[in-house]
Amino acid sequence: AQSVTQLGSHVSVSEGALVLLRCNYSSSVPPYLFWYVQYPNQGLQLLLKYTSAATLVKGINGFEAEFKKSETSFHLTKPSAHMSDAAEYFCAVRSPTDYSGAGSYQLTFGKGTKLSVIP
Amino acid sequence: KAGVTQTPRYLIKTRGQQVTLSCSPISGHRSVSWYQQTPGQGLQFLFEYFSETQRNKGNFPGRFSGRQFSNSRSEMNVSTLELGDSALYLCASSLTSGDYNEQFFGPGTRLTVL
Repeated sequence: AQSVTQLGSHVSVSEGALVLLRCNYSSSVPPYLFWYVQYPNQGLQLLLKYTSAATLVKGINGFEAEFKKSETSFHLTKPSAHMSDAAEYFCAVRSPTDYSGAGSYQLTFGKGTKLSVIP
Repeated sequence: KAGVTQTPRYLIKTRGQQVTLSCSPISGHRSVSWYQQTPGQGLQFLFEYFSETQRNKGNFPGRFSGRQFSNSRSEMNVSTLELGDSALYLCASSLTSGDYNEQFFGPGTRLTVL
């Protein structure tokens, strides 16, 4: 079964400092991996995705993530934190299901990491 | 192009009641997925509808059901509400089934069960 572990439910960084949010996955198939961001009282917004192409993936708002198969990791980074980055971040893996046969998938999410940015 | 809309945004119900939530996908999108978000369990997949057919289902009891209409709008119904059903319910739309590369989320419906 596919699963996602996000290390650290809360991360605080100073404005201008490096942001590093950790995500490790477990997958029995080549993974498709995603990072989403959720601002208060809003839905999720896709930041970036890995779908078996380049291992270093660039997303929106200056975020990027590197897929490391040997470490089963997909950590999210941003060189310099901005106050507007304060939000909750979710890592997700596409997981196959048996519901309607081959080719059926769902997203399995990590528990989320709340990022605080200190001025 | 308008985004995914969910109605109502907030809802308060009591135990034993039933509730229906609505989701209108982005124009042209035919797949709608539903998720439950709680502080304890995080984000959990409920089900996905595509072209009026349920294509996927998560591990939720039969009290949770859904449907999709010919215009791709989807409704989710929860019967015999329990306190533990209090959550943010999110829907997401995409062009095709299982297309998580381009899945867009609505703002959610906050359900409180008293």
